[in-house]
Amino acid sequence: GQNIDQPTEMTATEGAIVQINCTYQTSGFNGLFWYQQHAGEAPTFLSYNVLDGLEEKGRFSSFLSRSKGYSYLLLKELQMKDSASYLCAVSPYSGYALNFGKGTSLLVTP
Amino acid sequence: DVKVTQSSRYLVKRTGEKVFLECVQDMDHENMFWYRQDPGLGLRLIYFSYDVKMKEKGDIPEGYSVSREKKERFSLILESASTNQTSMYLCASSFSSGANVLTFGAGSRLTVL
Repeated sequence: GQNIDQPTEMTATEGAIVQINCTYQTSGFNGLFWYQQHAGEAPTFLSYNVLDGLEEKGRFSSFLSRSKGYSYLLLKELQMKDSASYLCAVSPYSGYALNFGKGTSLLVTP
Repeated sequence: DVKVTQSSRYLVKRTGEKVFLECVQDMDHENMFWYRQDPGLGLRLIYFSYDVKMKEKGDIPEGYSVSREKKERFSLILESASTNQTSMYLCASSFSSGANVLTFGAGSRLTVL
């Protein structure tokens, strides 16, 4: 089975750094994904980790520890447009459907 | 620009009606998926398909069926809509190998009265 946990809501200030954590328990593992979803819009792909360590992509970074079943998404130099829901998802097997956490709603305040 | 297109952005139906939600992708993806998204519950997988005429049940298939007659098209069918099927429905597609990055459509918000 799958169990993916992430905080429901977070608030941070424009220009700051925020870390969104995700823990998972899964019967198989073929990678961990982060998606961003603005209100009323489709989720869009942010990052993918399959090996332990940090993947950096501009202002966004994602970290994975497979032994701990743990990932985080790090957002730097926060902007107002970063206010959105951030979805953690696990791929149990190659080519299989993703299992999603319930999402973390991030509010960036001035 | 690659796309997953869902035919209806908003639908309002009555209890007992048959509902068709259509999804088309132009990326030649093998895999296609239907999720529903509800507040506090996140995205839950209804059905997915690895290939034409193939379908697999997801976590919540009850009350739904699907059809995939062509590679680019994946339809979700509600045989007899009920009020608890009021939701946002998201279609997605991906290649069958590699990182399996899902590309989502814009969603179809269904209200069943």
